[in-house]
Amino acid sequence: EIVLIQSPATLSLSPGERATLSCRPSQTLRNHISWYQQKPGQAPRLLIYDASNRATGTPARFSGSGSGTDFTLTISSLEPEDFAVYYCQQRSNWPLWTFGQGTKVEIK
Amino acid sequence: QVVESGGGVVRPGGSLRLSCAASGFTFSNFGMNWVRQAPGKGLEWISYIETSSSPTYYADSVKGRFTISRDNAKKSVYLQMDSLRDEDTAVYYCTRSFGYDAFDIWGQGTVVTVSS
Repeated sequence: EIVLIQSPATLSLSPGERATLSCRPSQTLRNHISWYQQKPGQAPRLLIYDASNRATGTPARFSGSGSGTDFTLTISSLEPEDFAVYYCQQRSNWPLWTFGQGTKVEIK
Repeated sequence: QVVESGGGVVRPGGSLRLSCAASGFTFSNFGMNWVRQAPGKGLEWISYIETSSSPTYYADSVKGRFTISRDNAKKSVYLQMDSLRDEDTAVYYCTRSFGYDAFDIWGQGTVVTVSS
């Protein structure tokens, strides 16, 4: 069973700072990973798919990179609306879709 | 968009049927999923249905108790939940599959509470 390890659990930053979120799958699969943003009381929103492609409407300050067992979501300069929880997700043989446990980006 | 309905409060061992109505896209062209989120917890994928209703897949946590189905004419997907347990308490989201592994459209969620 694949496990996605996200780090750190919490990231305390100020607006304008750069955020770097990590997601490490326990197994090397295809280079397909997705990233989601979830704000309190809202449904998750797809930000990045296939590791580095921005979904429709995702601002350019969000970028995804990585391969194998090391993936990164970078927010180049945090805006007030970016403070939220971020999840990575990957598809495997079983369970078919797995989410990481999330990284909370909070205002310092 | 997709809009879920059917959540509510149910006793352990009871049943509930969730519905998800789609609009704004060609529903029959997309696989659909249910994802849940327990209070204060992360996201858990629980079920998938292919465009033609087969195949279907389930997470181990719900296999044998939940059944996913769809009606392409009604642009809807359903989740029949039987033998509900306390640990099934969660917000249930309907999502559209996109590409190899992403979920690009999410509903607002419907709340299921299993409690005696």
